Amino acid sequence: QKEVEQDPGPLSVPEGAIVSLNCTYSNSAFQYFMWYRQYSRKGPELLMYTYSSGNKEDGRFTAQVDKSSKYISLFIRDSQPSDSATYLCAVIQGAQKLVFGQGTRLTINP
Amino acid sequence: EADIYQTPRYLVIGTGKKITLECSQTMGHDKMYWYQQDPGMELHLIHYSYGVNSTEKGDLSSESTVSRIRTEHFPLTLESARPSHTSQYLCASRSRDKDGDGYTFGSGTRLTVV
Repeated sequence: QKEVEQDPGPLSVPEGAIVSLNCTYSNSAFQYFMWYRQYSRKGPELLMYTYSSGNKEDGRFTAQVDKSSKYISLFIRDSQPSDSATYLCAVIQGAQKLVFGQGTRLTINP
Repeated sequence: EADIYQTPRYLVIGTGKKITLECSQTMGHDKMYWYQQDPGMELHLIHYSYGVNSTEKGDLSSESTVSRIRTEHFPLTLESARPSHTSQYLCASRSRDKDGDGYTFGSGTRLTVV
């Protein structure tokens, strides 16, 4: 079983739609949860991070963690074509090593 | 402006050649990492370092080696490249005192071994 599971998609939605991206993880000891955005031929860039269960909002983005079900989500409101990218969830394991999900490829159609 | 630099961005090389992928960061971060990413696949940690003279192998077995002689520099070397080494290699660094964030990635080196 992978430590972090993420549906690779691809996911295609119209501009303005609300996007929901999800991951599950296996180890209840994971403490930090992150979402990275990766544009084609670029390195990942940190989008959001959360520490505890609950929601964290930043502009059009909301990160949600449910530790009881080991489930993390990223919501994008009013999606824009510039949001088209691969979104990777990640957790910090042990000695602060990032463990990534497979990434979900998202396309926002104008 | 990027704070972590990887060179080259693209490299096509013949089997058996020795190559070094460069990674440098200007942020003074102690922790640095190398990840390998195949197209459409997740990133896998292959090496990491907690500081000068510290190197550790990651979760994914790799035939590459790394060195950390200076804080800002974390090169990765393949002594004899093979087609199975074809992949994207991403370097990252993390500041010592930050919690939950602070990982900065370079743009990657896309390696093709023919």
